[in-house]
Amino acid sequence: GAVVSQHPSRVICKSGTSVKIECRSLDFQATTMFWYRQFPKQSLMLMATSNEGSKATYEQGVEKDKFLINHASLTLSTLTVTSAHPEDSSFYICSARGGEGNTIYFGEGSWLTVV
Amino acid sequence: RKEVEQDPGPFNVPEGATVAFNCTYSNSASQSFFWYRQDCRKEPKLLMSVYSSGNEDGRFTAQLNRASQYISLLIRDSKLSDSATYLCVVRGTDKLIFGTGTRLQVFP
Repeated sequence: GAVVSQHPSRVICKSGTSVKIECRSLDFQATTMFWYRQFPKQSLMLMATSNEGSKATYEQGVEKDKFLINHASLTLSTLTVTSAHPEDSSFYICSARGGEGNTIYFGEGSWLTVV
Repeated sequence: RKEVEQDPGPFNVPEGATVAFNCTYSNSASQSFFWYRQDCRKEPKLLMSVYSSGNEDGRFTAQLNRASQYISLLIRDSKLSDSATYLCVVRGTDKLIFGTGTRLQVFP
């Protein structure tokens, strides 16, 4: 079974609204979580790295005020896409590092469609 | 230049065929290397790690050449269920960098 759970798996929202995606590590404490975005037929692109209790580190070109990341506990990180636009429609995937061997586990991903 | 480069394919092969994927990476300080498999509209799943000595897992063999910064994946006796996108992944100090992936389609 999944050790990293992402929710929702699919979401449709109206342009201009905000949407929150949750990433939970189910049976381990994740000291670090990563958020990726994948456009069709493209690679996973790292958006940001978040460590519990501290501000996320964003990759170049990713707007931190648009993509709000909160890593409030060792088992939960959230990504909020604010003022969503149709071009934000994408597959968003989180991953969490922790557990034995400090392994990286991926969530099932969230499909965001902005209409 | 992209940090991790792969031939996007697609590779269309018959069942039973042997197919090889190649990957190059630009950062010589990269520490760990992996092949992930991604099915359509799903999250990537770890297929295997890649070690300098080369490693095999059933029908899958991975090779790493640090001097050439080159990684390969060989799939023998292809199955229909092997159809997917194969992602070459390189890990630096902290994060994973993904290649664009090579799409494999195995046909009967």
